[in-house]
Amino acid sequence: NAGVTQTPKFRVLKTGQSMTLLCAQDMNHEYMYWYRQDPGMGLRLIHYSVGEGTTAKGEVPDGYNVSRLKKQNFLLGLESAAPSQTSVYFCASSSRQERQYFGPGTRLTVT
Amino acid sequence: GDSVTQMEGPVTLSEEAFLTINCTYTATGYPSLFWYVQYPGEGLQLLLKATKADDKGSNKGFEATYRKETTSFHLEKGSVQVSDSAVYFCALSDKVWAGGTSYGKLTFGQGTILTVHP
Repeated sequence: NAGVTQTPKFRVLKTGQSMTLLCAQDMNHEYMYWYRQDPGMGLRLIHYSVGEGTTAKGEVPDGYNVSRLKKQNFLLGLESAAPSQTSVYFCASSSRQERQYFGPGTRLTVT
Repeated sequence: GDSVTQMEGPVTLSEEAFLTINCTYTATGYPSLFWYVQYPGEGLQLLLKATKADDKGSNKGFEATYRKETTSFHLEKGSVQVSDSAVYFCALSDKVWAGGTSYGKLTFGQGTILTVHP
């Protein structure tokens, strides 16, 4: 039982490049989330999904897109990366209960 | 909107010292409260939680009591160890309705870095 996994673990992008972060969970959870973590700001919700085929905006959605084509996967895309998107990205999942399970994170640097 | 405020860090303690990390919140509903811990290079792990007023959450020697009258959820441990060195996040979960369904929206504090020296 791997829980929540994220790929890649690290990535360096140039401004304007695009990339996709993959999150996978094996707990059959309905809900999945993408957060970013910046120093002194805690975690902020980017987008979330309440089920396969549905997504919604969180607190800081600009510059990101997401897709939930399969229940176990939640993809976060950056179409044109900017230095302001340098951050650590965490994926999480949960059942209808409140506890969220977090992945190990992806450290992204945009130069 | 909902918000969580944690005591400023970093906090540096000697082994076996007493730990308190203050956390206060504002919320419109009746939230559940959590402490998450993040060890170096890892994701967040749930440390403890409390779902209603006067509940006490506890785990690994850590405790926190849900105080509705003071809107607080302070984290305490009687004797810290070097292995407790980590970042601690206070968070609240409030039910949010969106598109006909609900989910528990987590709002985090800014995190408190704890370093424990031998």
